[in-house]
Amino acid sequence: GAGVSQSPRYKVAKRGQDVALRCDPISGHVSLFWYQQALGQGPEFLTYFQNEAQLDKSGLPSDRFFAERPEGSVSTLKIQRTQQEDSAVYLCASSQGVLAGVGSYNEQFFGPGTRLTVL
Amino acid sequence: DQQVKQNSPSLSVQEGRISILNCDYTNSMFDYFLWYKKYPAEGPTFLISISSIKDKNEDGRFTVFLNKSAKHLSLHIVPSQPGDSAVYFCAASAPGTYKYIFGTGTRLKVLA
Repeated sequence: GAGVSQSPRYKVAKRGQDVALRCDPISGHVSLFWYQQALGQGPEFLTYFQNEAQLDKSGLPSDRFFAERPEGSVSTLKIQRTQQEDSAVYLCASSQGVLAGVGSYNEQFFGPGTRLTVL
Repeated sequence: DQQVKQNSPSLSVQEGRISILNCDYTNSMFDYFLWYKKYPAEGPTFLISISSIKDKNEDGRFTVFLNKSAKHLSLHIVPSQPGDSAVYFCAASAPGTYKYIFGTGTRLKVLA
């Protein structure tokens, strides 16, 4: 079956531009996560959706970052007025369950990521 | 504050030998640990996990060991194969939560 897909795969933006990154999770997955992975670092949590509800946005670095999942499936991460420090790979993950932990039900499946470069 | 640490950024191992990747954590509430493998231009893929009620979990060539008192886990790959060359991330979660905390990764290179 289809996995998690993300588009675009690569995005180059000029500083100050707005960008929108899309995530198509696995069909039927309740949970959706956005992570930011800077060069040489591990994925860092940005935000979490359970269906259409954004339950945790504690990892969003500033109010320039906004995420939505209006119908509980596709999600968009929007970054306004991009800065050079926003350059990173943005990863989306989805899972059937609502908790991390034991069981394939809770396994997070990752998309290939969108590499954002801000010039 | 890095709650999950992978202190070795890279590791090179000869094909057929054992690869040992290490991970340390600071949060004693963590009760579930995973290893993810990542190839270039792909997302991380789940490899193996362990619950804190166990100290070892094995899946084919991959074994994860957990030492709760030392807050340390390790991934053993035996025998190592060139296709194992990738970046390996350790991750952890606490009970009742939904997010994983990732380490910074170790790049494994298996030499043919």
